[in-house]
Amino acid sequence: GAGVSQSPRYKVAKRGQDVALRCDPISGHVSLFWYQQALGQGPEFLTYFQNEAQLDKSGLPSDRFFAERPEGSVSTLKIQRTQQEDSAVYLCASSQVEREQFFGPGTRLTVL
Amino acid sequence: GDSVTQMEGPVTLSEEAFLTINCTYTATGYPSLFWYVQYPGEGLQLLLKATKADDKGSNKGFEATYRKETTSFHLEKGSVQVSDSAVYFCALSDTMYSGGGADGLTFGKGTHLIIQP
Repeated sequence: GAGVSQSPRYKVAKRGQDVALRCDPISGHVSLFWYQQALGQGPEFLTYFQNEAQLDKSGLPSDRFFAERPEGSVSTLKIQRTQQEDSAVYLCASSQVEREQFFGPGTRLTVL
Repeated sequence: GDSVTQMEGPVTLSEEAFLTINCTYTATGYPSLFWYVQYPGEGLQLLLKATKADDKGSNKGFEATYRKETTSFHLEKGSVQVSDSAVYFCALSDTMYSGGGADGLTFGKGTHLIIQP
């Protein structure tokens, strides 16, 4: 079956622009996670959904970051008024509850 | 809070050499431990896992044993190939498999492995 997909794969934004990153999880996976991976670093947890409920958003770095999963499937990570320090690869992962996470290819965001 | 420390790279080896990538962790409970691999141009893939002390995870010739007494989960392979060149991440979860709900993984910084022919 299809894996986790993310779009766009690459995004270039001017500082101050808003961006929206999309994640399509594996069909039937209840849990969905977003991570931020800076260059040369490991992924860092941003937020977690179980179905449409956002159960943990403790990793979101500021109130400019917002995530949603309105129908319990596709999720969107939105970053408002982007800044240079937001440049990173944004990874989405999905899983059955309490099981291995399967990662998408990521969206590389570059803020100029 | 939870943390994972793994050896810095890059690690450069010749083909057929023995590989060890060290990983130690700090966690509040009984975490599950993972090794993920990221091949060039690809996404993170789960390589192996261990969910309780003394468990050995293995896959594709790689092995790692969950050592609670030393809080370690070192990755080993007896004979590496050029195709093993990738970035390897050690990670933990405090709640996966424990009935405690779910949480995000805590990752180390990654170790870049380069295998020369």
